[in-house]
Amino acid sequence: EPEVTQTPSHQVTQMGQEVILRCVPISNHLYFYWYRQILGQKVEFLVSFYNNEISEKSEIFDDQFSVERPDGSNFTLKIRSTKLEDSAMYFCASSEALSTGVGYTFGSGTRLTVV
Amino acid sequence: GENVEQHPSTLSVQEGDSAVIKCTYSDSASNYFPWYKQELGKRPQLIIDIRSNVGEKKDQRIAVTLNKTAKHFSLHITETQPEDSAVYFCAAPAAGTASKLTFGTGTRLQVTL
Repeated sequence: EPEVTQTPSHQVTQMGQEVILRCVPISNHLYFYWYRQILGQKVEFLVSFYNNEISEKSEIFDDQFSVERPDGSNFTLKIRSTKLEDSAMYFCASSEALSTGVGYTFGSGTRLTVV
Repeated sequence: GENVEQHPSTLSVQEGDSAVIKCTYSDSASNYFPWYKQELGKRPQLIIDIRSNVGEKKDQRIAVTLNKTAKHFSLHITETQPEDSAVYFCAAPAAGTASKLTFGTGTRLQVTL
């Protein structure tokens, strides 16, 4: 079964540093998403991406965040200057169609710890 | 935006019993309702979903029911097994969006022997 892969699985960074989280969506999927989950809390939408541009973003996705598809396979989330409250599990997802949740496949996540 | 409420937050059942988790949503235009299972430290995995044109869907021991009038949907797990122990999240499309899912707060299900 096709998978969404994410690297690294765990990242520890100092407050104020930049981090880049990487994702390889399923190859025939066209829509890509980032969600985050603070420990013990619900999964929260950050951003959706299609055709090399952001489709939608949440209020969490402020100027410190950016997404990019630098080549034909990777989809990245960059946090420019990390804060303690950015510590969370970040999940990438992809789907064939822009339909809310239909066909979503989540990656295994990157646990970001900001110290 | 869409508001998804989920109850209970924790649920403990004995092996073999049934478990029911309920969610309500606020946007009457929502038309797709997935349920995700998340084991500790792992990704959310879709276990069942339902579209608004049906009232019930079943897949072996798992079923989902939808009441559009009342704007609530429920997950039913019958003959629970220890491997059903996990956190379960319901979700619904956010109002006025094409790509955003709003998740419930999760239910931690513990199946005891």
